[in-house]
This record gives sequence, structure tokens and C-alpha cells, in this order.
Amino acid sequence: NAGVTQTPKFQVLKTGQSMTLQCAQDMNHNSMYWYRQDPGMGLRLIYYSASEGTTDKGEVPNGYNVSRLNKREFSLRLESAAPSQTSVYFCASSELAGIMNTEAFFGQGTRLTVV
Amino acid sequence: AQSVTQLDSHVSVSEGTPVLLRCNYSSSYSPSLFWYVQHPNKGLQLLLKYTSAATLVKGINGFEAEFKKSETSFHLTKPSAHMSDAAEYFCVVSDQNDYKLSFGAGTTVTVRA
Repeated sequence: NAGVTQTPKFQVLKTGQSMTLQCAQDMNHNSMYWYRQDPGMGLRLIYYSASEGTTDKGEVPNGYNVSRLNKREFSLRLESAAPSQTSVYFCASSELAGIMNTEAFFGQGTRLTVV
Repeated sequence: AQSVTQLDSHVSVSEGTPVLLRCNYSSSYSPSLFWYVQHPNKGLQLLLKYTSAATLVKGINGFEAEFKKSETSFHLTKPSAHMSDAAEYFCVVSDQNDYKLSFGAGTTVTVRA
């Protein structure tokens, strides 16, 4: 029962480097999300995908891009990493039940440090 | 737009005493409300959810929350704290106009022996 799987778990980047965070879910959910978690700020939405083939910006999209490769996979790309992107990143997925959202399932997180 | 305010950034309780974590929400439409818990260096786990059924919601590990529309609140309670309840707790809202989940800033719970 994998749920939501994120890779890698840890990463250190130099300023200006690029990388892609991978996320896959095996629950056949339509919606997927990328959040970042910083101390005292809760989780802030970077991008989300309500369904396969669609993506939308969240609260803090600058410096990031996403790809909804298929229903299972939703990747987050940092084109040119900056120290301000040092954070813990969480991927999540959920299914819509009628007009009401159901619970989201979260991955274990990726701890990213940009030096 | 929807939003959540968690009224306490940190709560400290003694083991065996009640826990109260306060959450107020703003939503233009009928909201779904959730409480998640995050133990140190772990992912997020759902404690309970409200999705327009009973206003008193029971969750895992003895937690419960009451939806009060008139007060736009969804406070989380537990009658007797356990050491294992030490964690960070997030109140989350989603409404029918916007399927995104919006998180509060979190409340850190410390349990004293």
C-alpha cells in the first residue's frame, strides 16, 4: 500500500542548479498538489492539478514549474534553485466526492537545502 | 477565497489534562474542514474531517472537533493528553468553489510529564 511516493527524500543543491522532484500516487486520484512547508507558515500551495492534463498556480508558484505527466505522476521542477527555496516539500493527492473535497494523502516529504 | 486561522501557535499541557486547539475559518461556500497531525520529521496524517454530515466529528486517537457555522470555528479537543500527542497540528479548509486545500499556520503541542 504505497499511497503517495516522493523522491528524493533529501537533496542539497547549489544556487543556480536545477532539479525535479518526483511524485506518484497509486490511489487513482484525480487531484494532486505540491506544497512547501516553512517554520511558522504552515503548508503553502505551490501548484496543483485538479485533473490529468490541467495545472494551476497556487499561492507561491514563482521559481517553480510542474508537469502532470499522467494521472499517477506530478513532478515539480526548480529551474534555477535559490536559497529561498530551502524548504520541505510535500506532494499530496485527493479525490473529489461530489462537490465536497475528500481528505488529501501526503507523501513523506523532500527536505531540500539550497546553498 | 477560503482561509484558516489557528489562534494558538503553541499549546503546552500536562499529561492527562484536556487539549484544546482553536481554529477559525473563512469560506464563501459550504466548507470541508480537516485536522491533520504531523509528528517530528514525519508526513501528515489525517485526524478527522467534516464534510457536511454530523457537526461533532470523532477522529483517531481520541480527538474530536465540532463544526460551528455561526462562529465559523472548528476547534479540536481531546479529553486527556498523552505524551504521544506531542506534534504539530494543522487545520485545513476546502470549499466547493475552490477545491484547493488551505492550511493554517499550525499549532505545536507540547505535553509535560
